[in-house]
Amino acid sequence: SQTIHQWPATLVQPVGSPLSLECTVEGTSNPNLYWYRQAAGRGLQLLFYSVGIGQISSEVPQNLSASRPQDRQFILSSKKLLLSDSGFYLCAWREPPGRSYTFGSGTRLTVV
Amino acid sequence: GEDVEQSLFLSVREGDSSVINCTYTDSSSTYLYWYKQEPGAGLQLLTYIFSNMDMKQDQRLTVLLNKKDKHLSLRIADTQTGDSAIYFCAEADTGRRALTFGSGTRLQVQP
Repeated sequence: SQTIHQWPATLVQPVGSPLSLECTVEGTSNPNLYWYRQAAGRGLQLLFYSVGIGQISSEVPQNLSASRPQDRQFILSSKKLLLSDSGFYLCAWREPPGRSYTFGSGTRLTVV
Repeated sequence: GEDVEQSLFLSVREGDSSVINCTYTDSSSTYLYWYKQEPGAGLQLLTYIFSNMDMKQDQRLTVLLNKKDKHLSLRIADTQTGDSAIYFCAEADTGRRALTFGSGTRLQVQP
């Protein structure tokens, strides 16, 4: 069966510290992968998407980066966190040509 | 660019029907989606509709699409307290192959 895993579920990090959030998908090959961020009480903002290994498209200028070292692994990183990086980070995948986008359970990041 | 708009809040009584509305601007959208988010959780796909369809029904859920007016609605029949959540409308961007979301409608169901 197809599943998506995100970890950690919650994270509290000080300003200026690094970040690494991981997302893995099982039961599929060559999925499209996505990172979204949801600020408190807001909608979802697309941060990055990837259509293949090593292929990353960035949607907004920021101090975050993404990498896809393996087909089913998508990593969100930062070298130095800002207070404004706080939010709920969601990973999602889609198996082309399917139309269903499936989301992970999310990581709640609080930068203090 | 793409823009998706929703009203922020809807309150209904248990057993009534709920109608959540959404408007979008991208005329090239091919698929439109409804997701549900419960507190502290990820997004659950409820249903999606192809842009050449007017209506799609799935048990208590009915989606209506007016492509001319770029208006999408989600009707929940016999609304239950368990339906209390935030509902997001989204469109699939054929260019980026990603979803563009509205800001979400918080549905409150009163017993």
